[in-house]
Amino acid sequence: DGGITQSPKYLFRKEGQNVTLSCEQNLNHDAMYWYRQDPGQGLRLIYYSQIVNDFQKGDIAEGYSVSREKKESFPLTVTSAQKNPTAFYLCASSNLSGRRNTEAFFGQGTRLTVV
Amino acid sequence: ILNVEQSPQSLHVQEGDSTNFTCSFPSSNFYALHWYRWETAKSPEALFVMTLNGDEKKKGRISATLNTKEGYSYLYIKGSQPEDSATYLCARRGGSQGNLIFGKGTKLSVKP
Repeated sequence: DGGITQSPKYLFRKEGQNVTLSCEQNLNHDAMYWYRQDPGQGLRLIYYSQIVNDFQKGDIAEGYSVSREKKESFPLTVTSAQKNPTAFYLCASSNLSGRRNTEAFFGQGTRLTVV
Repeated sequence: ILNVEQSPQSLHVQEGDSTNFTCSFPSSNFYALHWYRWETAKSPEALFVMTLNGDEKKKGRISATLNTKEGYSYLYIKGSQPEDSATYLCARRGGSQGNLIFGKGTKLSVKP
């Protein structure tokens, strides 16, 4: 089945460690996104990529890094520079070309906890 | 309005009640307005994507309207059921290559 897969579902990190969250899609979508959700907040954009080997910072990119070496994969690394990394992370993808009413598809999320 | 704003933040209704919530967004450089339903332990799923002023969309008991000139959209649920309990997210896309900017959502709880 076509879809978008995030792993792991839960992740624990020690302070000072980098961790990488996986996001894979087999929908042949051009664009991929990483969002972060905190309690009482909406989804805030961390990074996005509209094409392979290119990505742009979102509203809260500090302390995060991404890569887009393949169309289907958009991993997010939470670095030790991220001061408050405990949050719920959602990955999404969409097809930017063609129809104006194209929707985004989401993974099931990764809950990251710093211990 | 600079951000996407949703109201109310949460809503508790009885089964059978009809309800509605609001999404307000910047009207300039408008491209599309999305509504998503996010159930606990699941991924957000698209309900509607609307692009034209005056658009009305319907899916079963759920419908939505769009006013791009004044920058708002309403989501209506007729005869709420417990399975409608979820967080409803609104998101605006500005431009064909623009990103989705989300509101904080409206959390709906429907009591049997």
